[in-house]
Amino acid sequence: DTGVSQDPRHKITKRGQNVTFRCDPISEHNRLYWYRQTLGQGPEFLTYFQNEAQLEKSRLLSDRFSAERPKGSFSTLEIQRTEQGDSAMYLCASADRDRGRREQFFGPGTRLTVL
Amino acid sequence: QKEVEQNSGPLSVPEGAIASLNCTYSDRGSQSFFWYRQYSGKSPELIMSIYSNGDKEDGRFTAQLNKASQYVSLLIRDSQPSDSATYLCAVNVLGNQFYFGTGTSLTVIP
Repeated sequence: DTGVSQDPRHKITKRGQNVTFRCDPISEHNRLYWYRQTLGQGPEFLTYFQNEAQLEKSRLLSDRFSAERPKGSFSTLEIQRTEQGDSAMYLCASADRDRGRREQFFGPGTRLTVL
Repeated sequence: QKEVEQNSGPLSVPEGAIASLNCTYSDRGSQSFFWYRQYSGKSPELIMSIYSNGDKEDGRFTAQLNKASQYVSLLIRDSQPSDSATYLCAVNVLGNQFYFGTGTSLTVIP
């Protein structure tokens, strides 16, 4: 396993711009999760996929956020019309639920700064 | 009420001592429990998972779960300066969402 990878690692954008992040999960992991983490807080759940199906979204998730996992492999998270409050670390995690394993393994994260 | 509560610390222990980290959760339907370590500026790293009441040991780490009290803890024996980090407790409810605590900051003093 090469681990979960995320790209880019850092993103600086101006308020109102759109940004897109990519996550490549551990090979053959069928579950993929997106979280947001701000300083001094734990990761906050955003959404998750079982293969290509998006099964759950946080009620706190603005409609400016959208996520896809078109072929059940990598996933993208897009934020439209970014706001300064979107500045955070965006974390992706994957899990191998086919084997009944619930442990999640995190990628290195994408740090977003909205100016 | 938050789903998962942790004392934010900071917790300081001398090198070689036992560090004890605690976590409580609110949902009695919680099924799985995890401890993650997070170094400053890095992503969380899985340390332990525990699913049933009792103790689970892995090297210097022991996770303890008491579902009746809705309590999970992590003991770190022979603490090392490299253990200095924030420790996150995570709870999995109904196999879907994971809820994380805010983390406890641990400093191991040489």
